[in-house]
Amino acid sequence: DAGVTQTPRHEVAEKGQTIILKCEPVSGHNDLFWYRQTKIQGLELLSYFRSKSLMEDGGAFKDRFKAEMLNSSFSTLKIQPTEPKDSAVYLCASSRLGAQDTQYFGPGTRLLVL
Amino acid sequence: QQQVRQSSQSLTVWEGETAILNCSYENSAFDYFPWYQQFPGEGPALLIAIRSVSDKKEDGRFTIFFNKREKNLSLHIKDSQPGDSATYFCAASASSGSWQLIFGSGTQLTVMP
Repeated sequence: DAGVTQTPRHEVAEKGQTIILKCEPVSGHNDLFWYRQTKIQGLELLSYFRSKSLMEDGGAFKDRFKAEMLNSSFSTLKIQPTEPKDSAVYLCASSRLGAQDTQYFGPGTRLLVL
Repeated sequence: QQQVRQSSQSLTVWEGETAILNCSYENSAFDYFPWYQQFPGEGPALLIAIRSVSDKKEDGRFTIFFNKREKNLSLHIKDSQPGDSATYFCAASASSGSWQLIFGSGTQLTVMP
């Protein structure tokens, strides 16, 4: 089985740009998570989908971050407009069912906003 | 307020020693505790997990010791190898009410040859 794939692996953006990160979950998984990882804040949950329905839209991240799940095998995370403080690694994970099941993480997209 | 706390940001041990990584939590409703291992440039990967009905879970060189009364747990890595050098995240979730997996801030383990 293929794992979680994320593209691009690296992204450099100018402040104010719009960027779109992509994720393909493990086939057959019902849950999909987007996280942001930084050294200071650690792993922060941005969005959570169950069977393509948005269950959590990120609280403090709502205003400029928008995740979508267009079908069960593809999700995007849009950041608009980007700010330098958005520089981080963005991780996508999927699981069969919920937080008590193994989450399989992709390799992440490293974003640098200048 | 951190719900899952890892007391050490970093830990260094010599090859062959037992590395002990500690974790504590606030929420009594947490009943599932996975540990994830992350190498540079990769996403975290599940290493081993324990449910609160058990006080010990062993998988090869990796053992979780769980103390429900004290709300803490530890990951023991026996006979540490340089290849175990990675960041280890303790996490927790509750089977009822919440769907979210809460991660600790991670402990960076270095195993010196």
